[in-house]
Amino acid sequence: DVKVTQSSRYLVKRTGEKVFLECVQDMDHENMFWYRQDPGLGLRLIYFSYDVKMKEKGDIPEGYSVSREKKERFSLILESASTNQTSMYLCASSLADTHTGELFFGEGSRLTVL
Amino acid sequence: GQNIDQPTEMTATEGAIVQINCTYQTSGFNGLFWYQQHAGEAPTFLSYNVLDGLEEKGRFSSFLSRSKGYSYLLLKELQMKDSASYLCAVKDSNYQLIWGAGTKLIIKP
Repeated sequence: DVKVTQSSRYLVKRTGEKVFLECVQDMDHENMFWYRQDPGLGLRLIYFSYDVKMKEKGDIPEGYSVSREKKERFSLILESASTNQTSMYLCASSLADTHTGELFFGEGSRLTVL
Repeated sequence: GQNIDQPTEMTATEGAIVQINCTYQTSGFNGLFWYQQHAGEAPTFLSYNVLDGLEEKGRFSSFLSRSKGYSYLLLKELQMKDSASYLCAVKDSNYQLIWGAGTKLIIKP
């Protein structure tokens, strides 16, 4: 079974703290994505990566950075967490060359910033 | 701007049929997706439409009309386990996904 695993399901951090969210996929997918999901809004793309050491900004990259040192791992970093970054964070992966580009999601990391 | 509209919430009865609509206005079109997301869980892929018409997959069907910017997801023989949010997403001309806010479907016995 294909699997995308996010390191933490629930985190509580204080304003100004550095936060690492890790995502690992076991499907040898080239593409990996970080989204945030907030009530009443569609998924919003933060960053994505099409290959190791490559990264591209999504729609809302401000306040975030990412790292992809290995194909299976894509990390999201909040250098200095703020309360408006309280959200559900979803990692996803997909194959590079598929007709549909179906995304496989992790179960999410719910971050609360106090 | 780009926009995906779907109802916020719908209620239906176990055993019945429900249709969840999605309208879109995007710069270009390269396919429309439906995902299911149970509360507290990951979204999972349901269907993909790129040509006009109806795609049937068991109890679930998805319809697309590109000229109208419209799709629907049809769920038949509803079961309690179908209670979930249903997310509509469109791949635009840059092959980026634009997501609707999701429709929360509540199934009553």
